Amino acid sequence: DIQMTQSPTTLSASVGDRVTITCRASQTISNWLAWYQQKPGKAPKLLIYKISIPESGVPLRFSGSGSGTEFTLTISNVQPDDFATYYCQQYDTYPWTFGQGTKVDI
Amino acid sequence: QVHLVESGGGVVQPGTSLRLSCEASGFDFNNYGMNWVRQAPGKGLEWVANMWFGGTSENYADSVKGRFTISSDSSKTTLFLQMDSLRVEDTAVYYCARKYTGFDQWGQGTLVTVSS
Repeated sequence: DIQMTQSPTTLSASVGDRVTITCRASQTISNWLAWYQQKPGKAPKLLIYKISIPESGVPLRFSGSGSGTEFTLTISNVQPDDFATYYCQQYDTYPWTFGQGTKVDI
Repeated sequence: QVHLVESGGGVVQPGTSLRLSCEASGFDFNNYGMNWVRQAPGKGLEWVANMWFGGTSENYADSVKGRFTISSDSSKTTLFLQMDSLRVEDTAVYYCARKYTGFDQWGQGTLVTVSS
């Protein structure tokens, strides 16, 4: 199975900060990498798919990059609504797997 | 408007069975991959199973293979997850999710608690 490892596990930020979350895959994956945002008690929300393509309606301050085994989600100019937990997911090879999550808090 | 509504969760004893449903509306069910994803209390997301295009192929996580079965009733646009031989570690909120770009549409989830 492909293991997805996110870092950091928790991240403290202030409004206006630029934050970066890293996701490392245990083996090379192609373009099938997505990022999700989840708030307590809610279903996840798709932010980015195919490494860097923003889902419709997602604010431009969210961006994704990377290739091979290392990928990043960047939130520029963090807003109060962005405090949440973020997950990466590979859907390149079954079983599809998620990272363990990164909690962004104040 | 796309809607996914899960139902069927509850409290059950280890070794028993439960069937979850996910009623889909607002899109052509048979043109997408449909998935089950679970989240144990306080934990991260775990992909459980999927099926494509109304049942042409199915895939499962190792943790549920041989115990869970994904299916659909295309005439009713409903996705099912038959869960047999349930274990305490299957306790989680179960979400259904549509695969298009990524998992672009999710239901609200249904809680399954396996406890003696």
